[in-house]
Amino acid sequence: GNSVTQMEGPVTLSEEAFLTINCTYTATGYPSLFWYVQYPGEGLQLLLKATKADDKGSNKGFEATYRKETTSFHLEKGSVQVSDSAVYFCAFPGGTSYGKLTFGQGTILTVHP
Amino acid sequence: NAGVTQTPKFQVLKTGQSMTLQCAQDMNHEYMSWYRQDPGMGLRLIHYSVGAGITDQGEVPNGYNVSRSTTEDFPLRLLSAAPSQTSVYFCASSTAGLNTDTQYFGPGTRLTVL
Repeated sequence: GNSVTQMEGPVTLSEEAFLTINCTYTATGYPSLFWYVQYPGEGLQLLLKATKADDKGSNKGFEATYRKETTSFHLEKGSVQVSDSAVYFCAFPGGTSYGKLTFGQGTILTVHP
Repeated sequence: NAGVTQTPKFQVLKTGQSMTLQCAQDMNHEYMSWYRQDPGMGLRLIHYSVGAGITDQGEVPNGYNVSRSTTEDFPLRLLSAAPSQTSVYFCASSTAGLNTDTQYFGPGTRLTVL
C-alpha cells in the first residue's frame, strides 16, 4: 500500500550546519510530493512541494528534488538557523480517500546556536 | 483572512464524556478534513468532506462523527470519549482536495481523556 518512510530523529545540529532529512515513498504512479513543517505550538504549514518527476521545490532556503528513480524526496538546507527548529513531515496524496495525505512519522529538528 | 481556526486549544475530558471540536475556515475552500497526530505516527485522517452536505470516513473514523452544514464549518464530535482518543487534532482545508493542492492546517486542539 501507500506509505512514506522518513528519516528518524531527533536531529540536532549547530547553526550553519548542513541539513538532510531523507524521505522515500511507496505509491502507485507519480504523485505530488510535499514537505510540511510544524513549528512549536502551531499547526502544519506547507514548506515546499513538487508536482512531477524531476521538479525541485524550494522555500526559505530549503530544497527537495522529486526523484522518481529512487522514489525519494529528500529535504536539504545548506545552512540551518535556530529558527528552523521544528518538526518536518514528508507527505503525498495517497490512499483511497479523496485528497487524503499520507504522512511520514515526522522528524524533530533542533538547531543550537 | 483568519485561515483555519480551531477551538478549543486544550481540553480535558473524562472517559465517557462527549464534546465537539470546532473548525472553521474563511477561504471558501470546498475540501475540509480532520487528522489526529500521535507520537511516532505522523497524522492520520479521521473524516473528510468535499463540500457542504457531503462527508466520508478516513482511515481512523471510529468514535467520531462529523457534519458539514456550511462551507465554512466542519465540527468533529466525540460521542463517548476514551483514553485512546488522547491526541492532538488538526483540521485542514484546501480548494478542491486535488492531489496537487496545498492543504491549510489549523493550530490544533490538544485533547486529554482521563
